[in-house]
Amino acid sequence: DVKVTQSSRYLVKRTGEKVFLECVQDMDHENMFWYRQDPGLGLRLIYFSYDVKMKEKGDIPEGYSVSREKKERFSLILESASTNQTSMYLCASGRGETYGYTFGSGTRLTVV
Amino acid sequence: GENVGLHLPTLSVQEGDNSIINCAYSNSASDYFIWYKQESGKGPQFIIDIRSNMDKRQGQRVTVLLNKTVKHLSLQIAATQPGDSAVYFCAESFLGGNQFYFGTGTSLTVIP
Repeated sequence: DVKVTQSSRYLVKRTGEKVFLECVQDMDHENMFWYRQDPGLGLRLIYFSYDVKMKEKGDIPEGYSVSREKKERFSLILESASTNQTSMYLCASGRGETYGYTFGSGTRLTVV
Repeated sequence: GENVGLHLPTLSVQEGDNSIINCAYSNSASDYFIWYKQESGKGPQFIIDIRSNMDKRQGQRVTVLLNKTVKHLSLQIAATQPGDSAVYFCAESFLGGNQFYFGTGTSLTVIP
């Protein structure tokens, strides 16, 4: 069964900490995405990547960065965590805009 | 904050009844649409898709209808079961675009 695996289901971090969220896919997909999901706001795109070492800003990139050193791995980095980054973070991968995404199970991050 | 009080649209149905979940999309150039199901604590899962050259597509117990004239998409679930309780999202994309755009979702509750 194809999979997108996010390294942590739940994380609690302190304000100001540097936070790494890891995502790995085993489908050889070129495209990978990071979303955050908040009640009433739906899924909002943070960053995406179409290839190794490339990245594009999504709708809400402020306070985040990403890294894609290998095709299968896409990392989301919170340089200095803040309480307004408390959210559910979803990673997805896909082959292109005319095919569906496969999502990971999500990481629920709480910043205290 | 100003987002307090924002709620997902909700739908409650009796077990065994049919459910209809609606979605209005925004881009008349969108030509590919997907419905996702998200159960509590999990990432969204692909249910069914439809391309703009079709107005209806059927899966197992699910049917998607597309009305391009009014930019409306619906998901029909036949004989709704308790396991269908989840949040349902529509997503749109267009050829030459580079991502999907997601609706905020509808929360379906099935009453046994």
